[in-house]
Amino acid sequence: QVQLVESGGGLVRPGGSLRLSCTASGFTFSDYYMTWIRQAPGKGLEWVSYMSPSGSNKLYAASVKGRFTISRDNAKNSLSLQMEGLRADDTAMYYCVRDTSDDDAFDIWGQGTMVTVSS
Amino acid sequence: QSALTQEASVSGTVGQKVTLSCTGNSNNIGSYTVGWYQQVSHGAPKTVMLGDSLPSGVPDRFSGSKSGTTASLTISGLQPEDEANYYCSTWDYSLSAWVFGGGTKLTVL
Repeated sequence: QVQLVESGGGLVRPGGSLRLSCTASGFTFSDYYMTWIRQAPGKGLEWVSYMSPSGSNKLYAASVKGRFTISRDNAKNSLSLQMEGLRADDTAMYYCVRDTSDDDAFDIWGQGTMVTVSS
Repeated sequence: QSALTQEASVSGTVGQKVTLSCTGNSNNIGSYTVGWYQQVSHGAPKTVMLGDSLPSGVPDRFSGSKSGTTASLTISGLQPEDEANYYCSTWDYSLSAWVFGGGTKLTVL
């Protein structure tokens, strides 16, 4: 079945780095835009970044631009998010999400991986 | 402050019809498809509506519509398992970003 599984979350000190990974299965990964969305504890959903199927097009939310880098390896069906200069307000559950085939919404969500930034 | 505006809370009884709204502007809802996402009790979100299309596996008591810069999610025949937070989202071309509403907490009485 179609599935997205995130990993790599954990506790990191302010200013530290972390790399999140997402492994896809059950669909042709290289056909889809992929997105990271996060949710701070008790808060709503916030779009973080997305990447085109080929990896040539990527966008970032203003809150993470210059600190986070999205990448993908279509041969390994994987999506990554390299996070640098982490701050307390980056503390959140991070979800790997597949865009629809028309890239006009999100259709498949992973279970999420928790990132906690604290000293 | 969210780019899209949703009711903070809505409630209904079992079997009732309820409508959740999501208001934006011409840069977002007025121009693009709106997705609706259900999040039950801090679990992962689940897609329940893509524009006016029902994803596979979602009960047909869910329906979606849009008029101008307001999108709506209607649940006809409310069930206890529909109690959740619901978020709307769409692309905003002026912000070059995906935007979300603040979410509506749906309570089934």
